[in-house]
Amino acid sequence: SAVISQKPSRDICQRGTSLTIQCQVDSQVTMMFWYRQQPGQSLTLIATANQGSEATYESGFVIDKFPISRPNLTFSTLTVSNMSPEDSSIYLCSVSRGVNTEAFFGQGTRLTVV
Amino acid sequence: AQSVTQPDIHITVSEGASLELRCNYSYGATPYLFWYVQSPGQGLQLLLKYFSGDTLVQGIKGFEAEFKRSQSSFNLRKPSVHWSDAAEYFCAVEPSNTGKLIFGQGTTLQVKP
Repeated sequence: SAVISQKPSRDICQRGTSLTIQCQVDSQVTMMFWYRQQPGQSLTLIATANQGSEATYESGFVIDKFPISRPNLTFSTLTVSNMSPEDSSIYLCSVSRGVNTEAFFGQGTRLTVV
Repeated sequence: AQSVTQPDIHITVSEGASLELRCNYSYGATPYLFWYVQSPGQGLQLLLKYFSGDTLVQGIKGFEAEFKRSQSSFNLRKPSVHWSDAAEYFCAVEPSNTGKLIFGQGTTLQVKP
């Protein structure tokens, strides 16, 4: 298993501002991902956080809006930039150790934009 | 395009009754299959997974799921539901060993006393 610490757990932010969410894993992992869960909805993959290089974004998500860093194999950040109320969601960090292994999830960051 | 369908948005069962949550996927090959549970205000917890082999898999908390290739289904079952099982349940698939998950819309389980 993997223990994932995600910070902050929740925040209320003003529109137009940015919030950086941190994801710390207790051991090295191969893959790290960021998901969004809009209110009452399922989870949608935002991007794959690549260690030492630019993240790989899914369709509908762009780097300018969701810049991601991954400086090492245990840590990643997701920034939600220039926020609007539509960005109000739960953002979840997920990690996987690779082939034939399951993904583990952090507790999520509940973001409300006012 | 790959997709996951959970036909039942909301299910209510009585405590002690049996449960089956449905999941169908659309994918050209056999993907990796998962069931996760999300309790209010919590992250996702893995209940069980299927990679290959025996099509009936056992998970935590007394849950099991059966992979049926002919029906492209991976239904979750529990013989006797407990009040603490009330939560949101997500079926997910991982195509092509990418690590990325595609989630169904989720099924909200309510348990009546």
